[in-house]
Amino acid sequence: GAVVSQHPSWVICKSGTSVKIECRSLDFQATTMFWYRQFPKQSLMLMATSNEGSKATYEQGVEKDKFLINHASLTLSTLTVTSAHPEDSSFYICSARDRSGGSSYEQYFGPGTRLTVT
Amino acid sequence: AQSVTQLDSQVPVFEEAPVELRCNYSSSVSVYLFWYVQYPNQGLQLLLKYLSGSTLVKGINGFEAEFNKSQTSFHLRKPSVHISDTAEYFCAVSGRMDSSYKLIFGSGTRLLVRP
Repeated sequence: GAVVSQHPSWVICKSGTSVKIECRSLDFQATTMFWYRQFPKQSLMLMATSNEGSKATYEQGVEKDKFLINHASLTLSTLTVTSAHPEDSSFYICSARDRSGGSSYEQYFGPGTRLTVT
Repeated sequence: AQSVTQLDSQVPVFEEAPVELRCNYSSSVSVYLFWYVQYPNQGLQLLLKYLSGSTLVKGINGFEAEFNKSQTSFHLRKPSVHISDTAEYFCAVSGRMDSSYKLIFGSGTRLLVRP
């Protein structure tokens, strides 16, 4: 149980184009989803917190207009990297918190999406 | 606000030897603590968590960790490692009353198990 999927697992795009990454909770409903960015051999950096039916909360320094997050349902959140540039190349990981988790702070992580912008 | 320090960026160890990965945290409030493992090009998998109760927490794959409030530490241990334990390990903290449920991660420790 508690499986989170991401699609695509890897994507290559040209500079200036937009890329959408999907994060799905497969066997539970996720009130809250989180988007992280991870550079090679570094830790996860929280980009934003996504709550179903409301606007995402972005961390300081993360451009809202560049990284568009939509949490349209209890099982799906999307991250769109708009007008991508080579410096946006990174490993993007989402996680989800089970709606029925009560006070549990456990997050279930997706397998990540490798984005390469050429 | 919380912060996590993993002092060791890499820990090399021989197979079947014991290992300890260190984690110290800083917080003005009570916390929940987690250890995650990440294999190459994969997401994170929860090893164990401390929410309350016994300070010695047992997790998957033979790992355990001990919460030490006075030393603000949550070190991860395994008595005998395997080659397959080679991976990146992240310690994370969340404030107990933080309704955002955010996790703050340490910089990670790469465990390298040698035959």
